[in-house]
Amino acid sequence: EVQLVESGGGLVQPGGSLRLSCAASGFTFSSYWMNWVRQAPGKGLEWVANINQDGSEKNYVDSVKGRLTISRDNTKNSLYLQMTSLRAEDTAVYYCARGDHSGYDHYCYSWGQGTRVTVSS
Amino acid sequence: DIQMTQSPSTLSASVGDRVTITCRASQSIDNWLAWYQQMSGKAPKVLIYKASILETGVPSRFSGSGSGTEFTLTISSLQPDDFATYYCQQYSRYPRTFGQGTKVEI
Repeated sequence: EVQLVESGGGLVQPGGSLRLSCAASGFTFSSYWMNWVRQAPGKGLEWVANINQDGSEKNYVDSVKGRLTISRDNTKNSLYLQMTSLRAEDTAVYYCARGDHSGYDHYCYSWGQGTRVTVSS
Repeated sequence: DIQMTQSPSTLSASVGDRVTITCRASQSIDNWLAWYQQMSGKAPKVLIYKASILETGVPSRFSGSGSGTEFTLTISSLQPDDFATYYCQQYSRYPRTFGQGTKVEI
């Protein structure tokens, strides 16, 4: 069974930093694209970033480029999101999501339960 | 960026009703479209991918159709577990984009 468990969320001041982690199990982590998707309070889903199997390709939504960095460690079956220069509009639940069965960067097949990030002074 | 527009934003329905949700893309995405269901306070779950292929384990009352710029999600007979918010997502181009969501309520 695919399991994704996010951690690292919390309250941070504007301009601050945070590192989110996602621990994966139940599948061969190194074989799949991985994604971060966020959801602001009471709002819809927003795709944030994804990374390919060996970490050589990364894609971001424009609003986070230069501030949020996706990475992975296949030896630890873990996905990360390094967040810097945080803004109030980054406040959201952040979901880790595995790519689909094909191994390509298509849809999000399985999701974690999310970790909440609040940016406020 | 490709804009995804869902309609309606809210849908009031009853158990047993046939429900249809529409998703329009601002440019052609072929059939690179997924539908997700999100129960209140929970993570999303994929229902359909490539516009019309039912994900394993998803009840057959869910179906998807469309290609190009116009897509639909249909629930043939609404069940109590189906009251949720539904999102479409295109994965034709970056950045991946979602529709704003359709809340199906009683």
